[in-house]
Amino acid sequence: QKEVEQNSGPLSVPEGAIASLNCTYSDRGSQSFFWYRQYSGKSPELIMSIYSNGDKEDGRFTAQLNKASQYVSLLIRDSQPSDSATYLCAVNPGGGADGLTFGKGTHLIIQP
Amino acid sequence: GAVVSQHPSRVICKSGTSVKIECRSLDFQATTMFWYRQFPKQSLMLMATSNEGSKATYEQGVEKDKFLINHASLTLSTLTVTSAHPEDSSFYICSAHGTGDEQYFGPGTRLTVT
Repeated sequence: QKEVEQNSGPLSVPEGAIASLNCTYSDRGSQSFFWYRQYSGKSPELIMSIYSNGDKEDGRFTAQLNKASQYVSLLIRDSQPSDSATYLCAVNPGGGADGLTFGKGTHLIIQP
Repeated sequence: GAVVSQHPSRVICKSGTSVKIECRSLDFQATTMFWYRQFPKQSLMLMATSNEGSKATYEQGVEKDKFLINHASLTLSTLTVTSAHPEDSSFYICSAHGTGDEQYFGPGTRLTVT
């Protein structure tokens, strides 16, 4: 059973601070990793993708991947109230045209 | 990014009837699309992989005779929930690959079976 684990939260972070979201996955052979943001009642929106060990930065977002530890994280700098949402970690076990395995998501609350 | 649309956005149907949900890739061609289901307070669960011109691949525990998938063109996949029951009430979301490995999701269809 391929699993993706996330702390469900809620994670409460003051506005302007750094929010740190974590995810672990069970399938060591997994190739592709994604972070999605989901607002209540809406479908997921792609935030970041990462395929190689290390950091990948895009604006206020940084994704970090450590395949040896089977660990993916997302950092959100200068957190804004509009960042309040559920963040879903997703893994594509085989790479390519495969469906995604999602974690249950971390509910992030940015306090003004 | 790639744009995926779904129709309808909301549907209410009576128990025992069938409902069809359409998923379209608007600005790209998608040989493969995916159908997910999300129950309240839970994460997305992959139901099936829809392949253009061939049979869909269903995940374990998903009844292929109940959830009919047709991928007749490179821009359209449909999911038909047959003989719907209240326990089928859920948020159904399709996705498709863009140019790389990223999957882009449609806005979802909220199905309520009464």
